Amino acid sequence: GAVVSQHPSWVICKSGTSVKIECRSLDFQATTMFWYRQFPKQSLMLMATSNEGSKATYEQGVEKDKFLINHASLTLSTLTVTSAHPEDSSFYICSARGVGETQYFGPGTRLLVL
Amino acid sequence: SQQGEEDPQALSIQEGENATMNCSYKTSINNLQWYRQNSGRGLVHLILIRSNEREKHSGRLRVTLDTSKKSSSLLITASRAADTASYFCATVLAGGGKLIFGQGTELSVKP
Repeated sequence: GAVVSQHPSWVICKSGTSVKIECRSLDFQATTMFWYRQFPKQSLMLMATSNEGSKATYEQGVEKDKFLINHASLTLSTLTVTSAHPEDSSFYICSARGVGETQYFGPGTRLLVL
Repeated sequence: SQQGEEDPQALSIQEGENATMNCSYKTSINNLQWYRQNSGRGLVHLILIRSNEREKHSGRLRVTLDTSKKSSSLLITASRAADTASYFCATVLAGGGKLIFGQGTELSVKP
């Protein structure tokens, strides 16, 4: 149990385009989902926390207009990178938490912006 | 900002040896968790230890927590080549639910 999926697993896009990444909890209801970004050889940096049906809470320094987060249901959250630029290239990982304390992580999405 | 500092940053050992990784943090926590990440993949939850616990075991893993020193250690006994991965500690702050990750330790277990 407690499986989280992400789609797509990798994406290459041109500079200026928008990219949507989906995060789904497959076998549990996720009241809270989290989005992280990870650069090569570095740790995970929390970008934002989203609760179903409410606006996401962004960490300091993360542009909410650039990284749009929607948590429309208890099993789905989406992250849209708007007007992507090469510096947005990174590994994006989501996690989901149900009623317990444990966060379950998705397999990540590798984004490359050319 | 990062809450945790981990050491060593990289550790290389032979199969069968034990591996110890340390994590220090700055503020009061609710619990501390350890995760493993294989190269380019998602994170796997290993173990959670609460602030009122001092030691926890799970298979070949042993985690200790010293809240007075604000530090934790992860011991992997009888390591295997398949244990090669990056290991991260993450803290849940007292009063808050989000995870703050340490810098991680890159473990290499040579067969």
